[in-house]
Amino acid sequence: AQSVTQPDIHITVSEGASLELRCNYSYGATPYLFWYVQSPGQGLQLLLKYFSGDTLVQGIKGFEAEFKRSQSSFNLRKPSVHWSDAAEYFCAVGPDSNYQLIWGAGTKLIIKP
Amino acid sequence: DGGITQSPKYLFRKEGQNVTLSCEQNLNHDAMYWYRQDPGQGLRLIYYSQIVNDFQKGDIAEGYSVSREKKESFPLTVTSAQKNPTAFYLCASSMGGGGIEQYFGPGTRLTVT
Repeated sequence: AQSVTQPDIHITVSEGASLELRCNYSYGATPYLFWYVQSPGQGLQLLLKYFSGDTLVQGIKGFEAEFKRSQSSFNLRKPSVHWSDAAEYFCAVGPDSNYQLIWGAGTKLIIKP
Repeated sequence: DGGITQSPKYLFRKEGQNVTLSCEQNLNHDAMYWYRQDPGQGLRLIYYSQIVNDFQKGDIAEGYSVSREKKESFPLTVTSAQKNPTAFYLCASSMGGGGIEQYFGPGTRLTVT
């Protein structure tokens, strides 16, 4: 079955420290891959996407993600987090059998001052 | 500015009443979606529409209805048959289906008492 797993429900990181959020998927082929960010009470904003080509993808707000086919992973990274990065992050892959996105449950990022 | 608008931001209703949530986009996107978000459960697809005058049920369509009479508009009605309607509702759109990137509105928080 197609699925997306974000193993960490919460992650706490000190301001200025590096960040890695994990995303693993189960899919028959190479899917389209996405990371979105959601601030409290807001909609989702697309951070970055992978369709094909270079497996290291640069996104907005200084984020990057690396597609690793052998590990079925698409982890999100940032070298130095800022307090404004505190939010919930969602990984998504697609398309499923109905041509829709499959969503992870999200990881809430908490920033320690 | 192109984007997706959802109104109102907060909505309060009494149990037993139907309520309609508005979603409008000026991105000229063909496909539109409604998601429900509950704490700790990520995004769940309610309905989607890939073209005007056509829509399909998502994973949790029971107790909801939609219409797609115009390309720009995809209103969601939460009926009295929905057993637990209090949630955060997100509307999204994309250029087409096929699991490509979706763009989200700011959301409507519905509280039913």
